[in-house]
Amino acid sequence: EMVMTQSPATLSVSPGERGTLSCRASQSVSSNLAWYQQKRGQAPRLLIYDASTRATGIPARFSGSGSGTEFTLTISSLQSEDFAVYYCQQYNNWPRTFGQGTKVEIK
Amino acid sequence: EVQLMESGGGLVQPGGSLRLSCAASGFTFNTYTLTWVRQAPGKGLEWVSGISAGGTIPYYADSVRGRFTISRDNSKNTLYLQMNSLRAEDTAIYYCAKQWTFFDYWGQGTLVTVSS
Repeated sequence: EMVMTQSPATLSVSPGERGTLSCRASQSVSSNLAWYQQKRGQAPRLLIYDASTRATGIPARFSGSGSGTEFTLTISSLQSEDFAVYYCQQYNNWPRTFGQGTKVEIK
Repeated sequence: EVQLMESGGGLVQPGGSLRLSCAASGFTFNTYTLTWVRQAPGKGLEWVSGISAGGTIPYYADSVRGRFTISRDNSKNTLYLQMNSLRAEDTAIYYCAKQWTFFDYWGQGTLVTVSS
């Protein structure tokens, strides 16, 4: 099973600052990686797929990069509505697997 | 507008059964793969099962294989998850999602609690 490891577990950022989240795969997943945002009490929302393509309606301040085993989600200037938990997920292999999540909190 | 709405959750005793449903609208249902993902209280996301557009190809997580069965009725635009031999560790919010690669739309989830 492909293991996805996210870091850090918690990211403390001030509004307006840049936030950088990492995701590492135990084996290459090519570019078959997605990022999701989940706010408390809500379903996850797709942000990025194919490692770097923004989903419909996602603001340009969210960007994804990487391929193979190392991936990054960057939020260029954090807004109040961006404080949430973020998950990466690979879809290169079965079973589909998620990282354990990174909580982005207000510093 | 794509909409997915889960139902069928509730409280069930260990060893019991439950069938979840996911009613879909806003897209051509019979041309898309579908997925179930769960989230235990206070925990992360866990992929559970996926099914092909025609309903003939299922995939399962090891944790549920042999106990859960995914199916769909393309005439009713509905996805199902039959859950048997339920365990305490199956307690979670169960989400249905569109597609089995990345999950572009999600329902709001239905809570399954397995407890005596």
